[in-house]
Parts: sequence; C-alpha cells; structure tokens
Amino acid sequence: DAGITQSPRHKVTETGTPVTLRCHQTENHRYMYWYRQDPGHGLRLIHYSYGVKDTDKGEVSDGYSVSRSKTEDFLLTLESATSSQTSVYFCAISTRARNNYGYTFGSGTRLTVV
Amino acid sequence: ELKVEQNPLFLSMQEGKNYTIYCNYSTTSDRLYWYRQDPGKSLESLFVLLSNGAVKQEGRLMASLDTKARLSTLHITAAVHDLSATYFCAVDIRDSAGKSTFGDGTTLTVKP
Repeated sequence: DAGITQSPRHKVTETGTPVTLRCHQTENHRYMYWYRQDPGHGLRLIHYSYGVKDTDKGEVSDGYSVSRSKTEDFLLTLESATSSQTSVYFCAISTRARNNYGYTFGSGTRLTVV
Repeated sequence: ELKVEQNPLFLSMQEGKNYTIYCNYSTTSDRLYWYRQDPGKSLESLFVLLSNGAVKQEGRLMASLDTKARLSTLHITAAVHDLSATYFCAVDIRDSAGKSTFGDGTTLTVKP
C-alpha cells in the first residue's frame, strides 16, 4: 500500500492565525486531495492536485490555499483560521486508473479553532 | 452538480440480521466506491464498482451497482458486532481528475 502521512495529527489554534497542514506520500502518485469531514456532511473536497504546481479548487475552497512544490508533499493552508474551519482534515492519494481501489487516506488532522 | 444521497443515515440492527444501505447519485457516474470508517479513524476502501450490474463481495458485505437507476446497494448478511462502523459511498464522474463526491455516511451499530 502507498504510504501517506499527515501532520500534525491534532492542532488547536486561535481565530485569525494562519495554519498549515502537511500531507506526505512516498509512492510518487500524481493525484492528491484535501477533504474536510464534518458531522452530517460526509467528506467535502477542498482542493486537489494533479501534479507539481498543478492545483485546483474543490467544493469548499474559500479560506484555504494549497501548494505542491514536490510530488510527495501537498500543503493545505488556512490563511486566517475561523471557528467554521474546526474540522477533521483528510488527505488522500489516487492513481488515475483506480479500477481496483479507491482513495488511500491519511490518518487525518483534527483541527480546533478557538 | 453531482449529488450523492445515502439512506438510512443511522442503522441499528441485531446480530444475525440482514440489511441494506442505499446510495443514490444524480448524474452518470464513471466509478462508485464504498468506504468504511471506524470511530476516530481514517477511511478504508472496501469496494470499487465500475459497470452496470457489477457485484463485489467481501465476507458479510456485498455491494452492487445499477447505473441505469443510479443506485448502489451495500448488503449486510448476518451482521456481527465487528461490522459496526460508518459506511460511505462515493462517486466519480468522468474526466473529473479522480475527484469523488461522498454521501453523508451511514452509521451502523450492530447489537448483540
């Protein structure tokens, strides 16, 4: 299985501060995704990347930015954290074919904005 | 816009019973996935369904896909406590760069 790690696992931050979450993969997959999970909403796509420096917005991208300077790293930044961004954030990786397997997810980052 | 609806959202069942979770989606899909999530954990891929009539089985879980009805089902046979988890379906649309739209999840509790 592909290796994918997220850091930090937990973070508490204050309203208005910038926060960066990191997703690191070891399998050279082209596609990477950031989702947030909130009770009653399933997972919603924030941003995704289809290669180095190639990123695009998802369903709930307002207040977030991303960067991918290397294949293995996909960073999610909350530019000025708000309480509505308290959530669990999951990074996922995918091979384009995906005929036999869905996403591989990281362990998640639980972010609390106070 | 692709919408994915699961029902029921919550399901409590007795061990040994059978039940079905439904996943409806609103537009033509390229792929449909089922995932499992244990409390406080990440999601794990269970099944990928690629074509009309596709059926996949793993243990007490069986997933099927009817693309004409835009419906997938996850059938649980003779439930056991270890199946207690939240189950998500997710749908890709063609040429979507592998982006998935998820349902809200079905939280299954299996009671002895």
